[in-house]
Amino acid sequence: QVQLQESGPGLVKPPETLSLTCTVSGDSISTYYLSWIRQPPGKGLEYIGYISYSGSINYNPSLKSRVTISVDTSKNQFSLKLSSVTAADTAVYYCARLYNYGYGDAFDIWGQGTMVTVSS
Amino acid sequence: DIQMTQSPSSVSASVGDRVTITCRASQGISSWLAWYQQKPGKAPKLLIYAASSLQRGVPSRFSGSGSGTDFTLTISSLQPEDFATYYCQQANSFPLTFGGGTKVEIK
Repeated sequence: QVQLQESGPGLVKPPETLSLTCTVSGDSISTYYLSWIRQPPGKGLEYIGYISYSGSINYNPSLKSRVTISVDTSKNQFSLKLSSVTAADTAVYYCARLYNYGYGDAFDIWGQGTMVTVSS
Repeated sequence: DIQMTQSPSSVSASVGDRVTITCRASQGISSWLAWYQQKPGKAPKLLIYAASSLQRGVPSRFSGSGSGTDFTLTISSLQPEDFATYYCQQANSFPLTFGGGTKVEIK
């Protein structure tokens, strides 16, 4: 059974860089498209970006200038870095697999999420 | 960006009720739409992809329909475990975007 697990600091000071890692267990990520999604407290879901096993990347333009997503296939991990954070970046951060069903993409496997608070 | 608008934002219903949630896209997205269920403190769970295809393991009381700009999620007979927030998400173009959510509450 494939599982995703986020890890990283729960508190980040502005304007530092938020860094999170997602570890995939139960399968190799060598064919995966891996995404980051966030959810501010009490609010909806926001797509941050994805990286493929081959290294192709897509970022949400609203965050593109501050986001870096990378993959380490040898560790079955992928990572998120978000620079120059402010209180507006406080959210639960999820990693998820973006799966192509042939006639539709969807996030079919999610990590449990990790809360990141931006505060001095 | 494609804007996704859900209605209603919340609905009160009883066990056994039929519940319908609507999602409208700001432009046509063919059938590139997914639905998720989220319970408090948990990650979203995929229910429906490609507008009407039921994800494996999801009860058949959930169904999706629509294409183009207008979509619906229907729960045919609401069960206690269905009280949650539901989100739609378009997969037609990047950035992928979600609706604002519909909270299904106990009447």
